[in-house]
Amino acid sequence: DIQMTQSPSTLSASVGDRVTITCRASQSVNIWLAWYQQKPGKAPKLLIYKASSLESGVPSRFSGSGSGTEFTLTISSLQPDDFATYYCQQYSSYCSFGQGTKLEIK
Amino acid sequence: EVQLVESGGGLVQPGGSLRLSCAASGFTFSNYWMNWVRQAPGKGLEWVANIKQDGGEKYYMDSAKGRFIISRDNSKNSLYLQLNSLRLEDTAVYYCARPLSPTGATGAYTWGQGTLVTVSS
Repeated sequence: DIQMTQSPSTLSASVGDRVTITCRASQSVNIWLAWYQQKPGKAPKLLIYKASSLESGVPSRFSGSGSGTEFTLTISSLQPDDFATYYCQQYSSYCSFGQGTKLEIK
Repeated sequence: EVQLVESGGGLVQPGGSLRLSCAASGFTFSNYWMNWVRQAPGKGLEWVANIKQDGGEKYYMDSAKGRFIISRDNSKNSLYLQLNSLRLEDTAVYYCARPLSPTGATGAYTWGQGTLVTVSS
């Protein structure tokens, strides 16, 4: 099974900040990596697929990069609506998720 | 617009059973693998099972094998998950999820709103 590890687990930031979340895979997943945003009591929302493709309707301040075993999600300028938990998911070999990164208001 | 609407969750005693349903609309259901993913309270996401377009292939996470049964009815655009021999640790919100691509068994998902299963005595 492929293990996905996100860092940090919690991130405190302010509106307007640039933030980066990292996701590492225990073995190569090529570019088969997605990022989701989840708010309390809601279903996850797809942000990025194939490591760097922006899902339709997602603001351009979100971007993804990486391949193989190391990936990043970057939010270029945090907005109040962005404070949430973020998950990465590999779908190269079945499916597994990172443990999540909670983005909090500083 | 893709819509996935789950139902069937509730409170059940350990050892009991429940059948979850997912009604799909806004896309050609029979063209896609379909998945169930769950999330225990305050925890992360965990893939549970998936089923091929024609129902001919089904896969489960290890702890679900022999207890859960995934099925689908393409004539009703519906996905199901039969939960048997439920354990306390099966308590979770269960999400129906569709991969982005019709060629993927798993993948970047579109999600339903989820249905809560609580296993408690």
